[in-house]
Amino acid sequence: KAGVTQTPRYLIKTRGQQVTLSCSPISGHRSVSWYQQTPGQGLQFLFEYFSETQRNKGNFPGRFSGRQFSNSRSEMNVSTLELGDSALYLCASTKEGSYEQYFGPGTRLTVT
Amino acid sequence: GQQLNQSPQSMFIQEGEDVSMNCTSSSIFNTWLWYKQDPGEGPVLLIALYKAGELTSNGRLTAQFGITRKDSFLNISASIPSDVGIYFCAPLYSGGGADGLTFGKGTHLIIQP
Repeated sequence: KAGVTQTPRYLIKTRGQQVTLSCSPISGHRSVSWYQQTPGQGLQFLFEYFSETQRNKGNFPGRFSGRQFSNSRSEMNVSTLELGDSALYLCASTKEGSYEQYFGPGTRLTVT
Repeated sequence: GQQLNQSPQSMFIQEGEDVSMNCTSSSIFNTWLWYKQDPGEGPVLLIALYKAGELTSNGRLTAQFGITRKDSFLNISASIPSDVGIYFCAPLYSGGGADGLTFGKGTHLIIQP
């Protein structure tokens, strides 16, 4: 069974731009969560989607948004990029009824 | 808010040694997950614990869910070079669904030749 895939793996953007990251969950998993990982703050929860609805949200500004499609694939968008948004963005998928989250390889975003 | 403390922050050990790390919290949880992350990759789930007092093994890895539900430990026996990486605990209290995980700061495991 294929794991969680994320595209692109690496991305360089400039301040003020926006970016969209994509995540395809494990087949059959309907929940997708997004996390930001930085050396200073560690792994922090952004939001979680289930059945195309945002079910949980972390403590991030409104510039961070996401959506989920009917095939459970998810995208996250960051608008008006800031230097501090440079991070590894990870998505994780979960089977319904389980608490075990399986992570993708991440997208390394660098904002210059 | 809840406080999650993972220790040690880093460990320098010799190949073949046993390793022990733990997480403690000010809050109670009903699930403890342990992950390992290699550089440039996403965390990989190692062990999941669901009951207070539960002791679970996965090969050379053993983890326990503390009786108070506020702590957990992970042991690695007879360490090998591929054990190098960052280990995270991620406890969860949920009535249902996949809530956001809170991760510990991680334990960096370094194996000296």
